[in-house]
Amino acid sequence: DQQVKQNSPSLSVQEGRISILNCDYTNSMFDYFLWYKKYPAEGPTFLISISSIKDKNEDGRFTVFLNKSAKHLSLHIVPSQPGDSAVYFCAASPGKNTGNQFYFGTGTSLTVIP
Amino acid sequence: GAGVSQTPSNKVTEKGKYVELRCDPISGHTALYWYRQSLGQGPEFLIYFQGTGAADDSGLPNDRFFAVRPEGSVSTLKIQRTERGDSAVYLCASSLVGGYNEQFFGPGTRLTVL
Repeated sequence: DQQVKQNSPSLSVQEGRISILNCDYTNSMFDYFLWYKKYPAEGPTFLISISSIKDKNEDGRFTVFLNKSAKHLSLHIVPSQPGDSAVYFCAASPGKNTGNQFYFGTGTSLTVIP
Repeated sequence: GAGVSQTPSNKVTEKGKYVELRCDPISGHTALYWYRQSLGQGPEFLIYFQGTGAADDSGLPNDRFFAVRPEGSVSTLKIQRTERGDSAVYLCASSLVGGYNEQFFGPGTRLTVL
């Protein structure tokens, strides 16, 4: 039962263009969302987060958008750089008082072409 | 190195054997998490420690899996009577106080059960 879904296993983008990675979730109790970036042979690295009281959070080239009614979030990377090539995971949590589980999607492998 | 470390980086064992995987969290982090990542999947929550106690072990798949953190720092994930389906990358993460605080991941231990 995959509660967090990333339906695009891979994405290729030209350097300098926008990368848009998508994530859908099924559990309406999720109220905190994160994006992680993972290079081969390394653990995931936290990138950016958003709580359900917001619909947008921006950090430099990275912006996360949350559409609660559609149970959808997306990560925008502008401009994309070759060093952004990695696997990106979205993760969601059902709330501070309901445990500390984060549910991860299956990941999207981003390739930024120089 | 101030990051989360995990040993061994790779472990190959035979079906039915017992294995121990070790995690050294970031110094001062009270929260520690274990995840399992199977091929093509995102990290799957196993267990969460707050200090020495397992605050949430609902992700452990069965009673062959057990984890300890006796002094509130290093943690060991123990798997008895390993099965081929246990083959995965086992990730450890720590965070300052748990909850929504950023989790810092180690590089993982790749377990292969033959």
